[in-house]
Amino acid sequence: AQSVTQPDIHITVSEGASLELRCNYSYGATPYLFWYVQSPGQGLQLLLKYFSGDTLVQGIKGFEAEFKRSQSSFNLRKPSVHWSDAAEYFCAVGEHTGNQFYFGTGTSLTVIP
Amino acid sequence: GAVVSQHPSRVICKSGTSVKIECRSLDFQATTMFWYRQFPKQSLMLMATSNEGSKATYEQGVEKDKFLINHASLTLSTLTVTSAHPEDSSFYICSARGLAGPHNEQFFGPGTRLTVL
Repeated sequence: AQSVTQPDIHITVSEGASLELRCNYSYGATPYLFWYVQSPGQGLQLLLKYFSGDTLVQGIKGFEAEFKRSQSSFNLRKPSVHWSDAAEYFCAVGEHTGNQFYFGTGTSLTVIP
Repeated sequence: GAVVSQHPSRVICKSGTSVKIECRSLDFQATTMFWYRQFPKQSLMLMATSNEGSKATYEQGVEKDKFLINHASLTLSTLTVTSAHPEDSSFYICSARGLAGPHNEQFFGPGTRLTVL
């Protein structure tokens, strides 16, 4: 069965430090992969997505993610975190056929001054 | 980019009343819309999938008579929470997939916060 795992429930980083949020998936084929960010009380904003091609994907707000097929991972990175990056981050896998989206349980990011 | 709106953004109602939430695709036609529910500090749970002009498909454990979904046009889907109770209080998010949507991408609305007193 398809699934998405975000091992880190909560991460705290200092402003200006680098960030990596982990995402592992289980899917029978090459998946469509997404990272979303959600601020408190808000909907989901798409940060970046991977469909095919270059495995290093650039997104908005200075985020990037790398698809590693051998590790079934799609980790999100940012070289220097800003206080405004504090939010909930969700990794998701989309089916090639059908409609299903599988969301991870989310990682809550706290940024300390 | 594709924009999805939801209305209302926030609603408070009394127990036993019904509440309707609208989801609109503003600049594209959505063949399929999805309704999710999110509890505090938790991930999104898919409630149902609706295709324009046909009955919605509900996920296991979701009461179709309680959560009525209508997808009457290619730009509008509604979720009606009937006889709402405090346990229905939650954050409801819709998403939409377009006719020409690449690679199964879904575009998410901003969500509706429902509080049942």
